[in-house]
Amino acid sequence: DTAVSQTPKYLVTQMGNDKSIKCEQNLGHDTMYWYKQDSKKFLKIMFSYNNKELIINETVPNRFSPKSPDKAHLNLHINSLELGDSAVYFCASSPAGGGGLSDTQYFGPGTRLTVL
Amino acid sequence: GENVEQHPSTLSVQEGDSAVIKCTYSDSASNYFPWYKQELGKGPQLIIDIRSNVGEKKDQRIAVTLNKTAKHFSLHITETQPEDSAVYFCAASLYGQNFVFGPGTRLSVLP
Repeated sequence: DTAVSQTPKYLVTQMGNDKSIKCEQNLGHDTMYWYKQDSKKFLKIMFSYNNKELIINETVPNRFSPKSPDKAHLNLHINSLELGDSAVYFCASSPAGGGGLSDTQYFGPGTRLTVL
Repeated sequence: GENVEQHPSTLSVQEGDSAVIKCTYSDSASNYFPWYKQELGKGPQLIIDIRSNVGEKKDQRIAVTLNKTAKHFSLHITETQPEDSAVYFCAASLYGQNFVFGPGTRLSVLP
């Protein structure tokens, strides 16, 4: 009964490859997010998505694209992987997209991506 | 845009002592301030949060205070235990959107 789950937990791949990370939440939340945590533990939001609106952090390269097959899933696709993409990627979800009473975000366990 | 600073970056305390972590934010419109605890190999977990209409909130050994005028908020952990050792993040947002996290504080509780 995990709230926010991600697969895989570890991903090791070669530079130039295309990979995907999957995220699922069973909390019935409306909004999902992707974060990148670098080696210094700094958390930076990449995307937020609530099935109506995709908000992209303008600093995220367009090699990264979120795909949402339904409200409970938000997958992250990465094309042409680069060494600098190595990081831990966290998926999160929250009940409301803004203006709601509960703004809390719930995080998944993370996916450690290593690009060789 | 919002900018969140967090101090100290590392903090060591003896078991049983108190720990205080401070954050400042730049956007006076921000109205939601959560604190997250991240243990090794895990995702951040919410431990306490506060909204701009409240000055202080307490949950057992954890408390958060907010000074809207000065634009800073603090996490207070009393009677620290070894299991409190983790990285703690503060964040600021407007109605739960556009979370901006602080750089984190690595807390070590020494037995």
